[in-house]
Amino acid sequence: DAKTTQPNSMESNEEEPVHLPCNHSTISGTDYIHWYRQLPSQGPEYVIHGLTSNVNNRMASLAIAEDRKSSTLILHRATLRDAAVYYCILRDGNNAGNMLTFGGGTRLMVKP
Amino acid sequence: DSGVTQTPKHLITATGQRVTLRCSPRSGDLSVYWYQQSLDQGLQFLIQYYNGEERAKGNILERFSAQQFPDLHSELNLSSLELGDSALYFCASSPSGLRNEQFFGPGTRLTVL
Repeated sequence: DAKTTQPNSMESNEEEPVHLPCNHSTISGTDYIHWYRQLPSQGPEYVIHGLTSNVNNRMASLAIAEDRKSSTLILHRATLRDAAVYYCILRDGNNAGNMLTFGGGTRLMVKP
Repeated sequence: DSGVTQTPKHLITATGQRVTLRCSPRSGDLSVYWYQQSLDQGLQFLIQYYNGEERAKGNILERFSAQQFPDLHSELNLSSLELGDSALYFCASSPSGLRNEQFFGPGTRLTVL
C-alpha cells in the first residue's frame, strides 16, 4: 500500500471544527482513502472512506483533493470523546488481502 | 461495541511459554484479521483468514500461528514467548468483499515476564 504522511499531533477546542490533514502523494488510481481512529484503551474504529468524491457520514466528512494527493478528515464539532489517534490509510481496491497498514497517525487532543 | 469479542482481556505469562488468544467475529463476517500493537512498532498486521482459509500474511513470526474454525471463530497461538512479544493483540472482522470496513475487538493485552 502507498504511504501516507500525517502530523504527529493536533490540538482542538471542544465544540470547534477540526481538520486533520493527510498527504498521500504516491496514491494510485485504485487506492481508497480510509480513516480509522483509536480511542484510549480501545481497538481501532472505522470512521470514513472515499475514492474520489467528498464523503459525509454521521461521524465525519472526508474532503479529497482533486489530484487525490491529499485528503482532510473533518470533525464538525469536536467533543472530548473525539480525543484519539486518527489514522489515514490507503487500501488498494484490487488487493485481495485487504489488510490495513497503519502509520503513526495523528494524536488529537481536545481541550474543554 | 463492535460485535467482535476477544478473550482473555489480559494475559500474564513467562518467557518460553505458549498462549492462545481467541476471537469471535461479528455475526456473518467471514474474514478475521489479527494485528499486534506494541509501543515501538505501532499497529502491525499479522495474518488474515477468510472462511477458514489463510488469505494474507504480514509480519507474523514463525513462533506464531493462527487458524479459523468452521464456526468462524479464530485463535492466535503464540509459542516460545519472549519479552518482546508483550503487546496488545487485536482481532478484527469484516464481511466478504475487498473494501469493507473492519470491526475491531477490544484486544488482549499480553504481558511476558
